[in-house]
Amino acid sequence: EDQVTQSPEALRLQEGESSSLNCSYTVSGLRGLFWYRQDPGKGPEFLFTLYSAGEEKEKERLKATLTKKESFLHITAPKPEDSATYLCAVQAIYNFNKFYFGSGTKLNVKP
Amino acid sequence: DAMVIQNPRYQVTQFGKPVTLSCSQTLNHNVMYWYQQKSSQAPKLLFHYYDKDFNNEADTPDNFQSRRPNTSFCFLDIRSPGLGDAAMYLCATSTGQGNKYEQYFGPGTRLTVT
Repeated sequence: EDQVTQSPEALRLQEGESSSLNCSYTVSGLRGLFWYRQDPGKGPEFLFTLYSAGEEKEKERLKATLTKKESFLHITAPKPEDSATYLCAVQAIYNFNKFYFGSGTKLNVKP
Repeated sequence: DAMVIQNPRYQVTQFGKPVTLSCSQTLNHNVMYWYQQKSSQAPKLLFHYYDKDFNNEADTPDNFQSRRPNTSFCFLDIRSPGLGDAAMYLCATSTGQGNKYEQYFGPGTRLTVT
């Protein structure tokens, strides 16, 4: 069964304390893995797409990496404004318009 | 700015009273999606359109229907809302072409059923 699991469910960091969020997946043929940021009461905001193992993408304090079984979202020296829920989604190669989402990691960065 | 717009942002309906949620996009994307998201849960895909081709998820209840009258607009109809249908409803779009399948989401409609 195709599925996505994110860990931890919640993460509290002090400002400047770097950490990583995990997204592990099982899918019958991965075409793409997507990271989104979701603020409370809002729709998810696209961050990155990763297509193949070994690929990395960076944006400001965020860096996403991909292996054959999981993806990591590394947050370097986070700021309070990075507080949000981070969602991971995978796209199956047999159906480009089917996306499996994880439940997200709720990140709270304290000043 | 190109965007995905959802109306209304908040909708209150009574148990069993039909409701329609609206989504429009200025991105000219081929694919439009409807998701249901409950608190602290993953967004759950209800259906999607590739142009006018409608695709229903196998586990989407019959109570939910959708219309896409043109490229820009898509509607979600809930025929007889139950208490369990209270959720955030998210509309998203993607180009559906080449390598660009990332989805762009609207702000969502928060549905309350009384």
